[in-house]
Amino acid sequence: QKEVEQNSGPLSVPEGAIASLNCTYSDRGSQSFFWYRQYSGKSPELIMFIYSNGDKEDGRFTAQLNKASQYVSLLIRDSQPSDSATYLCAVTRSNFGNEKLTFGTGTRLTIIP
Amino acid sequence: DGGITQSPKYLFRKEGQNVTLSCEQNLNHDAMYWYRQDPGQGLRLIYYSQIVNDFQKGDIAEGYSVSREKKESFPLTVTSAQKNPTAFYLCASSIRTGGVNTEAFFGQGTRLTVV
Repeated sequence: QKEVEQNSGPLSVPEGAIASLNCTYSDRGSQSFFWYRQYSGKSPELIMFIYSNGDKEDGRFTAQLNKASQYVSLLIRDSQPSDSATYLCAVTRSNFGNEKLTFGTGTRLTIIP
Repeated sequence: DGGITQSPKYLFRKEGQNVTLSCEQNLNHDAMYWYRQDPGQGLRLIYYSQIVNDFQKGDIAEGYSVSREKKESFPLTVTSAQKNPTAFYLCASSIRTGGVNTEAFFGQGTRLTVV
């Protein structure tokens, strides 16, 4: 079982609609959860982070965390063509006092004008 | 300006050569990470370090080595034992707050090609 799993997509969403990206993780001891956006040929950039169960909103983005189900999601409202990118889910867990940051394989999102 | 600097941006390696990728940060971050990304793939962890003079193997450490002699520097050596080194290499760092590593920030990456 992979530590962090994402649907690789591609996911196509019409402009103005809501894009929903999902991620599951295997280690119940995971502590911190991150969503990164990566444009082709570029390095990842942080979109959202969430540490506690529930929802966290930042502009058009909402991160949702459910530790009981080991599930984290990212909603993008009013999707724009500039949101077309690969979205990477990342999870931190302690490894004998050292924190390991593990990424999923990413979901490729395409916003259709 | 604060940030993470990776060099070089492009690197070509001959078969059997060792090459070293540089990663320097002036953010005073505690943790540093090296990842490898292959086309259409996510990021796979090579090595990570929480403090100076200490580092741990990630998921794909074979054929790679690192050092952490200074807080701001975490160079990665791709050795001749790494049989398929062509990839995009990313360095990241994060600060530790309240006993937890916060979000990681990335350098611009080094694209390594075997010729």
